[in-house]
Amino acid sequence: DTGVSQDPRHKITKRGQNVTFRCDPISEHNRLYWYRQTLGQGPEFLTYFQNEAQLEKSRLLSDRFSAERPKGSFSTLEIQRTEQGDSAMYLCASSSWTEDYSPLHFGNGTRLTVT
Amino acid sequence: AQKVTQAQTEISVVEKEDVTLDCVYETRDTTYYLFWYKQPPSGELVFLIRRNSFDEQNEISGRYSWNFQKSTSSFNFTITASQVVDSAVYFCALDNTDKLIFGTGTRLQVFP
Repeated sequence: DTGVSQDPRHKITKRGQNVTFRCDPISEHNRLYWYRQTLGQGPEFLTYFQNEAQLEKSRLLSDRFSAERPKGSFSTLEIQRTEQGDSAMYLCASSSWTEDYSPLHFGNGTRLTVT
Repeated sequence: AQKVTQAQTEISVVEKEDVTLDCVYETRDTTYYLFWYKQPPSGELVFLIRRNSFDEQNEISGRYSWNFQKSTSSFNFTITASQVVDSAVYFCALDNTDKLIFGTGTRLQVFP
């Protein structure tokens, strides 16, 4: 068990470009979450999956954002036509749905800078 | 609406002092969970504790202790005999709809 892994750790992109982040959860975890954290704030929920099904999306997740978890294992978060306001830390977390409210285990995050 | 308030933005203490981090939450649900997470400078959020709404027993784990009071909707966190390694941002969070709602965090700086 190597924990939740996110790639890349840092991404610098120009406004208008598309970016994609990857998250590999803890192997036995069936739930996967995406959060966004800006400086001085707590993480904000974006979306989550149970296995391959996307169960909820926040209103923060505009049409430019899309997340997938095609085989119920790793997940990708894509941002199209990036804007400067998208600059943030994108955090992935996983948990096990064998009991209610099991703790989320977070990865180190992907820091996105849009110039 | 669900909300978590951490009124203390930043706290500085000298090593070996005790420090309490405050957390106040709002929810209309009767069943919910409260969490504390630590975010050291490396950035990874580390789970510290989970408490469900039906369990108001205080908990102690080493130098850490938590005081949950439903009457005041508070879930405070105390570090006894603080150490430099405790320096981090600490987040309180509420979960009652399959997702965590975080407070804005309290940055704790422990000086030697």
